Amino acid sequence: DQQVKQNSPSLSVQEGRISILNCDYTNSMFDYFLWYKKYPAEGPTFLISISSIKDKNEDGRFTVFLNKSAKHLSLHIVPSQPGDSAVYFCAANTNAGKSTFGDGTTLTVKP
Amino acid sequence: NAGVTQTPKFQVLKTGQSMTLQCAQDMNHEYMSWYRQDPGMGLRLIHYSVGAGITDQGEVPNGYNVSRSTTEDFPLRLLSAAPSQTSVYFCASSYSGQSYNEQFFGPGTRLTVL
Repeated sequence: DQQVKQNSPSLSVQEGRISILNCDYTNSMFDYFLWYKKYPAEGPTFLISISSIKDKNEDGRFTVFLNKSAKHLSLHIVPSQPGDSAVYFCAANTNAGKSTFGDGTTLTVKP
Repeated sequence: NAGVTQTPKFQVLKTGQSMTLQCAQDMNHEYMSWYRQDPGMGLRLIHYSVGAGITDQGEVPNGYNVSRSTTEDFPLRLLSAAPSQTSVYFCASSYSGQSYNEQFFGPGTRLTVL
């Protein structure tokens, strides 16, 4: 059973608008959540993270929200730029040293 | 600072052949890991290491071996390649295995098994 789910395989938004990427998880033992961004033919790169004891973390245009009771997190990108077009992975970590990744959401930002 | 490097970038094997995917990092990170990514799917953990001499299995370890004799290197061995192992393989490292540490990924090795 998949413990981390990104139910939208793709998302298309207009430049300047908000992009909202969603992620759901099932395991209550996850204590840190991270978002990674991946361009074609490259490895993922870290974007932003949030502790399970917080409900929001902001870094420039990127904000991650965590709703622990709903086991749901979302990544907001405002304003979206064409260079943000990439695959975004949600990852959930435990202190046992393991990361569990979602299947990714392909974001396309149209000029 | 090269970060995480992986060789080769591409590899084609025949069923039953063995090979080693190389991974090295120059950030003095304790934690290293190997993932595979199949089309349309996320990254699945194969093996990981929390320090030199210590390795453990991830979600999909069958058919793969690892060892960690130095902090810098974490090779992944395919014992007898199968078509089901066709995938893109990513090596990653982080400062420690603590949950708040982000991972730094290499560029990947694209493996095809015929």
